[in-house]
Amino acid sequence: DAKTTQPPSMDCAEGRAANLPCNHSTISGNEYVYWYRQIHSQGPQYIIHGLKNNETNEMASLIITEDRKSSTLILPHATLRDTAVYYCIVRVADYGGSQGNLIFGKGTKLSVKP
Amino acid sequence: SAVISQKPSRDICQRGTSLTIQCQVDSQVTMMFWYRQQPGQSLTLIATANQGSEATYESGFVIDKFPISRPNLTFSTLTVSNMSPEDSSIYLCSVGILAGETQYFGPGTRLLVL
Repeated sequence: DAKTTQPPSMDCAEGRAANLPCNHSTISGNEYVYWYRQIHSQGPQYIIHGLKNNETNEMASLIITEDRKSSTLILPHATLRDTAVYYCIVRVADYGGSQGNLIFGKGTKLSVKP
Repeated sequence: SAVISQKPSRDICQRGTSLTIQCQVDSQVTMMFWYRQQPGQSLTLIATANQGSEATYESGFVIDKFPISRPNLTFSTLTVSNMSPEDSSIYLCSVGILAGETQYFGPGTRLLVL
């Protein structure tokens, strides 16, 4: 089972920031938080990942709480093309056994509206 | 990140037949994985394709139904055998450049079994 909890859906106005929350209260010290998104009928696209520090790249920012039990993915200026299902996943950065596998939950369906 | 291609991109097959899906990566990768995404569902890991040895299957998936080959570090195949309508899904190849690193996904193969 997925170790994360996300709201099933969210709306965001075009041009505004989209803030997608994720709860991972049972995260272990050696587990990273990964975010992927899946635009309709395409393969999942990697967005960002982090361990405990906040991270930013050209796509998004990842804010992880100090206790690491939750995080927020921020799309600073959402566009219509950002409409997708966003998946928050925790996994160890080690492929030993099945611990390193990506376990996908149901994600959050983000709808960006004009 | 790696560039991943899958063939075929989509297919319609008859019950009882088999289909082999190819995954090609433009660079050598350590890890290759196969996922299934049933209609309206999230992704489920089928197996890890190991180069030079038998694939490692997840619970609920067996080699007789989903034989996998991985002859080198850039190529893998997944066969869906003796298909039934319940096998109608998107099948996705995923790769990790190095063990423990970020996974990237191919565009998927959309299979419809009649």
